[in-house]
Amino acid sequence: TQLLEQSPQFLSIQEGENLTVYCNSSSVFSSLQWYRQEPGEGPVLLVTVVTGGEVKKLKRLTFQFGDARKDSSLHITAAQPGDTGLYLCAGAYGNKLVFGAGTILRVKS
Amino acid sequence: GAVVSQHPSRVICKSGTSVKIECRSLDFQATTMFWYRQFPKQSLMLMATSNEGSKATYEQGVEKDKFLINHASLTLSTLTVTSAHPEDSSFYICSARDWGLADYNEQFFGPGTRLTVL
Repeated sequence: TQLLEQSPQFLSIQEGENLTVYCNSSSVFSSLQWYRQEPGEGPVLLVTVVTGGEVKKLKRLTFQFGDARKDSSLHITAAQPGDTGLYLCAGAYGNKLVFGAGTILRVKS
Repeated sequence: GAVVSQHPSRVICKSGTSVKIECRSLDFQATTMFWYRQFPKQSLMLMATSNEGSKATYEQGVEKDKFLINHASLTLSTLTVTSAHPEDSSFYICSARDWGLADYNEQFFGPGTRLTVL
């Protein structure tokens, strides 16, 4: 069974602060996706990382894939209330996605 | 592009009845569709994988006779919750993937269906 450990589980911060979410596994993934989900809606794909050591930026969001393709991180700079939501990492393993437990982020104004 | 719809968005039913949820890929052909279940403030749990024209593959612990999946066309998959009970109440989400459109196992998710069984 491939497990993807995501931390922290909950994060409540003030507007303007920075934060990092981590996903770690003992398994190697062919790719890893990060999704954001709002209550009552489906997850929305933010980014896919494929190459070990890869770094991708999406405005204030920076995604990194570990050299061994077993871990990834999401860093948000100067968080805003609009960033509030559930963040999910998902590793591609064969035909499926293995999801982390999710990080509930709340950004207070 | 890559839009997935689900219908209905919410359904309330009585215990013992069956409920059908539709998942459609609107602007691409989905060779593979996935059905997930999600409890409040938790992650997604994969229930089954379906490929067009073949039987679905269910994850361990998911009753295939309870959750019937049909993927009859490249744009439509249905999940039928048979003889629903209150413990089946949950948020059901489908996703779709087309090898020709999405690389690296990217899946595109529908908006979800909230099922409440009374």
